[in-house]
Amino acid sequence: EVQLLESGGDLVQPGGSLRLSCTVSGFTFSTYAMNWVRQAPGKGLEWVSSISGGGSNTYYLDSVKGRFTISRDNLKNTMYLQMNSLRAEDTAVYYCAKVDGNGVYYDYWGQGTLVTVS
Amino acid sequence: DIVMTQSPLSLPVTPGEPASISCRSSQSLLHRSGNNYLDWYLQRPGQSPQPLIYLGSNRASGVPDRFSGSGSGTDFTLKISRVEAEDVGVYYCMQVLQTPLTFGGGTKVEIK
Repeated sequence: EVQLLESGGDLVQPGGSLRLSCTVSGFTFSTYAMNWVRQAPGKGLEWVSSISGGGSNTYYLDSVKGRFTISRDNLKNTMYLQMNSLRAEDTAVYYCAKVDGNGVYYDYWGQGTLVTVS
Repeated sequence: DIVMTQSPLSLPVTPGEPASISCRSSQSLLHRSGNNYLDWYLQRPGQSPQPLIYLGSNRASGVPDRFSGSGSGTDFTLKISRVEAEDVGVYYCMQVLQTPLTFGGGTKVEIK
């Protein structure tokens, strides 16, 4: 059974830092791209960042570029999102999502972790 | 950036009746492969999003056949042939043609 478990969400002051983790099981982690998607309270979904299976290719939403860093440790079956210089507008539930084998949709999502910047 | 626009914002539905949601993109989502890089997701109340449709018209694993996706280029539609109570939630379209990947604003489906 595929499982994705996010952790690391917390209350942090503006300008602060936080590292989110997404630990997975039930599939060969290194084979698949992974993404972070966030949802501000009462709002819609917003793509944040993507990383390829090997970790060499990364992509970011413009508003987080230079502040957030996506990475993965394929030996630990874990993806990370290092979040620096946090702003109030980064407040959201952060979901990790697994990309399907053809790279065209998210076939599994985690339950999310809440980041509050205040 | 590709802007995704969904309508309606809210959709009251009667169980057993059909429902339809529209999604329009500011640029064509038709890839040179012939596939439209457009996905649909459902977020039930209090839950994480779940996949419904990928590449415009392909049902994700386990999705009931009452859900169907159609369209090409910039205009897409998600149809539910006969709405059931478990179909309530917010439906999102998403383009995966280019980064930044972008979602529509969502359509909230609720039972009348």
